[in-house]
Amino acid sequence: QSALTQPPSASGSPGQSVTISCTGTSSDVGAYNYVSWYQQHPGKAPKLMIYEVSKRPSGVPDRFSGSKSGNTASLTVSGLQAEDEADYYCSSYAGSNNLFGGGTKLTVL
Amino acid sequence: EVQLVESGGGLVQPGGSLRLSCAASGFTFSSYWMHWVRQAPGKGLVWVSRMNSEGSSTSYADSVKGRFTISRDNAKNTLYLQMNSLRAEDTAVYYCAGGYSYSYSPFDYWGPGTLVTVSS
Repeated sequence: QSALTQPPSASGSPGQSVTISCTGTSSDVGAYNYVSWYQQHPGKAPKLMIYEVSKRPSGVPDRFSGSKSGNTASLTVSGLQAEDEADYYCSSYAGSNNLFGGGTKLTVL
Repeated sequence: EVQLVESGGGLVQPGGSLRLSCAASGFTFSSYWMHWVRQAPGKGLVWVSRMNSEGSSTSYADSVKGRFTISRDNAKNTLYLQMNSLRAEDTAVYYCAGGYSYSYSPFDYWGPGTLVTVSS
């Protein structure tokens, strides 16, 4: 039950795009299309941003998109805005359990 | 309005026990798989446990297996986490989260969390 691997930090200027990776194994990310992404602002509960690799819940801006290739999933935030500055976590179904990544702190410069 | 509200956190000595509750409202609780997720101070999210909508199937992270027990009462729209043999490394904010219908569903709903501190 190892955590998924995310870069600890990412950054971009307003209007730019940034991509955050999430690497797992053939038993979790690679095995299922059940990867989701969560945004967490300081002191707040996480918020679902992407589910089933690339689907957006109602109300999430289309600036947020997701993809997957093999054992690595990715979250792309386009047209960065100040309010996108937050921690982002990936999560994957892994059969007998669920996993989270270590989190990526996104800074809007 | 969908609400999940955790309670029962606090300060406990190593080796002690604590029972967390999560009260749900605004959605059909009995149709949701429910999870506990924790976050140590300054650290990332860690999945702890899950239970199916009927309350007949459970799963646990290796780090809590044999010490924590998840349960639910669909008549009371409440999820529980019984935590025994607590260790310093169990110190964290504990969130309950819900996913619709399936174990692989995303965590649609989250509570604000309750802080558990294990210290002498």
